[in-house]
Amino acid sequence: ETGVTQSPTHLIKTRGQQVTLRCSSQSGHNTVSWYQQALGQGPQFIFQYYREEENGRGNFPPRFSGLQFPNYSSELNVNALELDDSALYLCASSLGEQETQYFGPGTRLLVL
Amino acid sequence: QKEVEQNSGPLSVPEGAIASLNCTYSDRVSQSFFWYRQYSGKSPELIMSIYSNGDKEDGRFTAQLNKASQYVSLLIRDSQPSDSATYLCAGGGGRAGSYQLTFGKGTKLSVIP
Repeated sequence: ETGVTQSPTHLIKTRGQQVTLRCSSQSGHNTVSWYQQALGQGPQFIFQYYREEENGRGNFPPRFSGLQFPNYSSELNVNALELDDSALYLCASSLGEQETQYFGPGTRLLVL
Repeated sequence: QKEVEQNSGPLSVPEGAIASLNCTYSDRVSQSFFWYRQYSGKSPELIMSIYSNGDKEDGRFTAQLNKASQYVSLLIRDSQPSDSATYLCAGGGGRAGSYQLTFGKGTKLSVIP
């Protein structure tokens, strides 16, 4: 157990809908990174939040957005869901932006 | 060249043998390296981190980094059936404000009893 929690564990949405995924970081960690993992692939970096600011972004469209709160928990929002958004969404927390990342259990999203 | 490349396997080894997992990387992900283990349907679990050339040992696991060859490996000694999983190699890179972890596709390891 890493102390990183995510909710919900599973989610089913339809194309065009919006979804919000949540992550609570490990105690003492101020950085949260979000990843998308498609079946059979490695995790792909979406973005990182460090002290409530976006701190780097991968190759994802603007309909992927996020927030980090003063307690360092974080949200990932995805608008206008597409079928290809079906994946395991992982958050990872760390002591700082370049420190070792520890993953939560993930949220499995299915878009129909 | 992809930024982090791994042989997808599957790699099969008998119980008690040494499993050797390999990874190559590009210049952009050259600051720090990590090995994660991922069981089917679960999230990645950190096994080892390595930052400088040479070997780093932790129990049955040894990570090796060769920056000149842009190569990082993980050796698992005395492999157990519980080691059967997908092993993800990840490289960290980027300046402050744009650091990201880049993963390979993973190598599936099967340890045969």
